Amino acid sequence: QVQLQESGPGLVKPSQTLSLTCTVSGGSISSGNYYWSWIRQPAGRGLEWIGRISASGTTIYNPSLESRVTISVDSSKNQFSLKLNSVTAADTALYFCARGVFWTGYYSYYYMDVWGKGTTVTVSS
Amino acid sequence: SYELTQPPSVSVSPGQTARITCSGDALPRQYTHWYQQKPGQAPVLVIYKDSERPSGIPQRFSGSSSGTTVTFAISGVQAEDEADYYCQSADSSGTYPVVFGGGTKLTVL
Repeated sequence: QVQLQESGPGLVKPSQTLSLTCTVSGGSISSGNYYWSWIRQPAGRGLEWIGRISASGTTIYNPSLESRVTISVDSSKNQFSLKLNSVTAADTALYFCARGVFWTGYYSYYYMDVWGKGTTVTVSS
Repeated sequence: SYELTQPPSVSVSPGQTARITCSGDALPRQYTHWYQQKPGQAPVLVIYKDSERPSGIPQRFSGSSSGTTVTFAISGVQAEDEADYYCQSADSSGTYPVVFGGGTKLTVL
């Protein structure tokens, strides 16, 4: 079955760029009607969706983070990536990647059916 | 911004039915999905499209929708069901395509 694994630095300095990669195994990132998401969760708090990307590169972001976020996909490596610039301590969180099922029609919907285990990123000097 | 409102906590005794609500203005026009998250683990999808159960999710998990409120229920609650539960939906305009509720801590007494 499809599995996702996040990777990247666990410590980022304030004002710098947070960069994470999600590697998809057990299936192709290009197959099916899937959009690939990043979600984060500060310690002891709820989930916050960051944004998603299709295999063809179509993106949509959370408006609250849009000015600082870039999500990209590399189908040849079966990976998608997150860049969050100008980070502050408020960006310290557990970051998850997830596969999402997307349907657009009279009633559109998007839900995330496969999640990575998450990776902790701390913003500190 | 668009918000989904959940109660912070729900407590039930084993064997009882737990119900968790999620309220939002767009819910009559948008599907809602539910995730279970246990400590130190990633969320797991337990209900999608208001009331559908993914493969492998116990039948005691169910979902329903009525107007601006959707309800997630667990019948015959077991100790292993103690977890945080999050609803997820979207606003009607497309500005907020993915929004999570604040989460509900389910405690099994």
